Amino acid sequence: LAKTTQPISMDSYEGQEVNITCSHNNIATNDYITWYQQFPSQGPRFIIQGYKTKVTNEVASLFIPADRKSSTLSLPRVSLSDTAVYYCLVGENPGAGSYQLTFGKGTKLSVIP
Amino acid sequence: DTAVSQTPKYLVTQMGNDKSIKCEQNLGHDTMYWYKQDSKKFLKIMFSYNNKELIINETVPNRFSPKSPDKAHLNLHINSLELGDSAVYFCASSLLTSGRNEQFFGPGTRLTVL
Repeated sequence: LAKTTQPISMDSYEGQEVNITCSHNNIATNDYITWYQQFPSQGPRFIIQGYKTKVTNEVASLFIPADRKSSTLSLPRVSLSDTAVYYCLVGENPGAGSYQLTFGKGTKLSVIP
Repeated sequence: DTAVSQTPKYLVTQMGNDKSIKCEQNLGHDTMYWYKQDSKKFLKIMFSYNNKELIINETVPNRFSPKSPDKAHLNLHINSLELGDSAVYFCASSLLTSGRNEQFFGPGTRLTVL
């Protein structure tokens, strides 16, 4: 399983765009990049998944360069309710053998008023 | 409608006791999981069942025994509880044919062993 490295914590003011970068130098060809969000006292929640280039949904955007050794989760105009821990995960998609999700330490995002 | 539910939400018990945590999903998923999140917030997978068959069994003490009576339920039984078992336990489910690494997590069960 590819190892991921992301900042332990980040602070941002409300209304700003937040970019959280994750390094995954040994990502494999079949690996996808997935991001989860966890609020205090709740289970993680899927945000976005991508393989290459850019993926956008109603919550966030995911930017993946051509070498795929890193990825950046972009949260537009954050609000206080975006304060959470964000996890970057790298692994094969379901159905590809004994797939599993490995959560790292995550990035604790604190949004300041 | 609760997608993934766990009971109980809180569990306080003495060392040496045996306890169970129940999990149910109404999403029609074929795979269910148990995770443990310790005080340092590390989230580690313990078990995974696909269509009632064990497919992931990480290195956990054999005091922990998952039981899946059907695809919608995955219960966790813990024997001879120890202080180090104190943590938040999350149940999750997913559909392996969805093509996405999207797991749906329950609200967690906070286990405190005294």
